[in-house]
Parts: sequence; structure tokens; C-alpha cells
Amino acid sequence: RKEVEQDPGPFNVPEGATVAFNCTYSNSASQSFFWYRQDCRKEPKLLMSVYSSGNEDGRFTAQLNRASQYISLLIRDSKLSDSATYLCVVTDSNYQLIWGAGTKLIIKP
Amino acid sequence: DGGITQSPKYLFRKEGQNVTLSCEQNLNHDAMYWYRQDPGQGLRLIYYSQIVNDFQKGDIAEGYSVSREKKESFPLTVTSAQKNPTAFYLCASNTGTVNSEQYFGPGTRLTVT
Repeated sequence: RKEVEQDPGPFNVPEGATVAFNCTYSNSASQSFFWYRQDCRKEPKLLMSVYSSGNEDGRFTAQLNRASQYISLLIRDSKLSDSATYLCVVTDSNYQLIWGAGTKLIIKP
Repeated sequence: DGGITQSPKYLFRKEGQNVTLSCEQNLNHDAMYWYRQDPGQGLRLIYYSQIVNDFQKGDIAEGYSVSREKKESFPLTVTSAQKNPTAFYLCASNTGTVNSEQYFGPGTRLTVT
């Protein structure tokens, strides 16, 4: 079983739709959780950290379910510019980052 | 502007040659990291360094070497012992504290034939 698992996609979504990504992790001791965004052939960039109480940043909402060991990312009113690969990241026992393979999102006009 | 630079962006080498990838940061970060990314896979940690003159192996260190003689610089050498070196290599840095965001350089795409 992979340490961090994501649906590889791609998710093909019309502009303006709402899209949700899920990510499961295997290490119950993980303490920190993040979503990064990676554009094609570019470096990853932090989209948002994920807090236990859930957090929202504009059209983006992240949630954490420790009991079921998954995190989610919701994008509302999707834009063409949201097209990218979304990477789920958790920390291991040594606080090193463990990366998921990413979910590719394609927003269509 | 502060940031991380990696050079070159694209690199081509013949099999059997060692090659060194450059990574420089002016963010005054203590910790630096090297990752490898292959198509359809997540980033995998090669080496990391929490402080000057010290570094640790990551999950896939075999066939690679690093040095950290200066805070700003963390070069990665891909040796001929690395069996499958063609990949996208990403350097990152952060303050080294828990929950600290990692900032990435633009990456080097290495092709070995």
C-alpha cells in the first residue's frame, strides 16, 4: 500500500463546476498535511496547509479526517487557470514530506 | 527577489558520466532538499541537509551524492552508479522547522542516453 494515495485522474470538469479531490495516507502518526499545485513541467507550489478544523481560502476548502486518515480539497466555481496537478503531501514520523503522485485537473471552457 | 535557482534547466549526458546539478538559494533557509520526480509518481526524497556541513540520505540516495559547504548551495551529483538517472530533479529549501513551507527551484530535467 502506498503511503499517500490519490486518484490519478485526469478530472475533466467544465468551467464553473465544483471539483473535489481525496487523498488517503497510511501513517497514523502524520502530523502535518498540505496541498501543493504543480503546473505542467514546473515546480510544485504550496496551495494550502490543512488544519484539523478545516480551512478555507477563497474558492478552496481543505479538510482533514484523522480517524479515516484522509484529506480532501474542494474547488468551487472552477476557473480555466485551476488546470494543474494537485499534490497531496503529509509528513512522516521525522517530519519529512511524503508526496502523493498527484491528481490532474483539466478545466474546460 | 529571494528564491531558489537551479541550473541548467535541461541537461543531456551520455551513460557512464557523472553530472552535477546546481542549486542555490538566497532565502537564508537552513534546510535544503533534493527530490526526483518521474512521470506519474510523487516526489521522492534523495538527500536533505538541515545545516551546513551535514546531510542525510533520503529514500532513494543510491547513485547520488551531495555536499553542503555553504548555506546557500546544495549541489547534487548524479553518478554513473545511478541505474536510471533520467528524471526531473527538484531542489527545495525551508527554515527547517515543523510545518515550514518548502520552496522549490524551477527544476532540472536530466536525460541520460
